[in-house]
Amino acid sequence: QKEVEQNSGPLSVPEGAIASLNCTYSDRGSQSFFWYRQYSGKSPELIMSIYSNGDKEDGRFTAQLNKASQYVSLLIRDSQPSDSATYLCAGPSGGYNKLIFGAGTRLAVHP
Amino acid sequence: DVKVTQSSRYLVKRTGEKVFLECVQDMDHENMFWYRQDPGLGLRLIYFSYDVKMKEKGDIPEGYSVSREKKERFSLILESASTNQTSMYLCASSPPGGSGANVLTFGAGSRLTVL
Repeated sequence: QKEVEQNSGPLSVPEGAIASLNCTYSDRGSQSFFWYRQYSGKSPELIMSIYSNGDKEDGRFTAQLNKASQYVSLLIRDSQPSDSATYLCAGPSGGYNKLIFGAGTRLAVHP
Repeated sequence: DVKVTQSSRYLVKRTGEKVFLECVQDMDHENMFWYRQDPGLGLRLIYFSYDVKMKEKGDIPEGYSVSREKKERFSLILESASTNQTSMYLCASSPPGGSGANVLTFGAGSRLTVL
């Protein structure tokens, strides 16, 4: 059974700080990972995808993939209260058409 | 600008009732999915479909069935609702092939309560 695990949080950071969200996965064959953001009462939306080892930056967001350690992370620089949400890590499960999601980490950015 | 529409935001049903959850997408996507989301468990895949009339079981298909008669519509059916099916149900779609197949667009969700 493939697994994606996240710390449920809440992770609380002050405004302007770096928020670091982490995810581990069990399938060594996984090649790509995705970060979805879900605001309270809303549906998830894709914010980052990463397909190779290393870092990928997009604005204030950086996704990191370490295949040797089976570890994925999302860094949010200059965190804003509007970043407060649940962040879901997802990886492929049995073919590229399916994703398996972690339980999500709730992030709270306080002014 | 709504792209994935779920017919009901909130439903309350009684144990044993048959429940239909409808999902329609207007992006001409081949892939469609039904997930349920429960606190502490994240999103779990119930069924998915990669083409009209095609369906595959996800991780928790027991107690559910699906129907995809048209490309844009994917229905989730609870033949005999039970209290442990009280949950938020999320429909999603994605384009076919390659990395785009993992870019899911979700509907707003249907919160089902079974009494």
